[in-house]
Amino acid sequence: GDSVTQMEGPVTLSEEAFLTINCTYTATGYPSLFWYVQYPGEGLQLLLKATKADDKGSNKGFEATYRKETTSFHLEKGSVQVSDSAVYFCALREGGNQFYFGTGTSLTVIP
Amino acid sequence: KAGVTQTPRYLIKTRGQQVTLSCSPISGHRSVSWYQQTPGQGLQFLFEYFSETQRNKGNFPGRFSGRQFSNSRSEMNVSTLELGDSALYLCATGDGASYEQYFGPGTRLTVT
Repeated sequence: GDSVTQMEGPVTLSEEAFLTINCTYTATGYPSLFWYVQYPGEGLQLLLKATKADDKGSNKGFEATYRKETTSFHLEKGSVQVSDSAVYFCALREGGNQFYFGTGTSLTVIP
Repeated sequence: KAGVTQTPRYLIKTRGQQVTLSCSPISGHRSVSWYQQTPGQGLQFLFEYFSETQRNKGNFPGRFSGRQFSNSRSEMNVSTLELGDSALYLCATGDGASYEQYFGPGTRLTVT
């Protein structure tokens, strides 16, 4: 069945450091891929998405490229800020089926 | 547009009781999904409703049930509560066409 695996956290970075959070997926077909972010005490917010191979999703300085050959959708940001501290979830959806989420990666950015 | 609304925000119940949670979607959204979020398991999909019909269902026992009304509002019910049901229950809504979903702030359920 479909599944998402993302890197274990927590991740702690200094402000302005480069961020990578790895995400790989297993799917039987051609899923859409998503990154969601959850700030403390809030629900999840869609950060970015990609719907087909080689698409690049981007938002707020974050980027992720849909790599079908490596079944990956790694999240990157060139220079993190304290305000980026949150939990990040990778997710996929195939057709009208349910969403599958990774377990989440907690990011803390220190000044 | 108003966002996804979930009520109540916090609940404390005793083992064996039942609970009903409510989710009001963004205007125009006809799809409502429910998730259980716990520190150990992450987000676990419960079920999805679209136009009052259950479209997808996760691997939860029959104690967990839901329904959707004609105005797209959805309720989730958990009967015979167990300590392990303590979690943040998130509702997410979508238009059913774009595969995107928007989450509510969640209901924090504590079972004692």
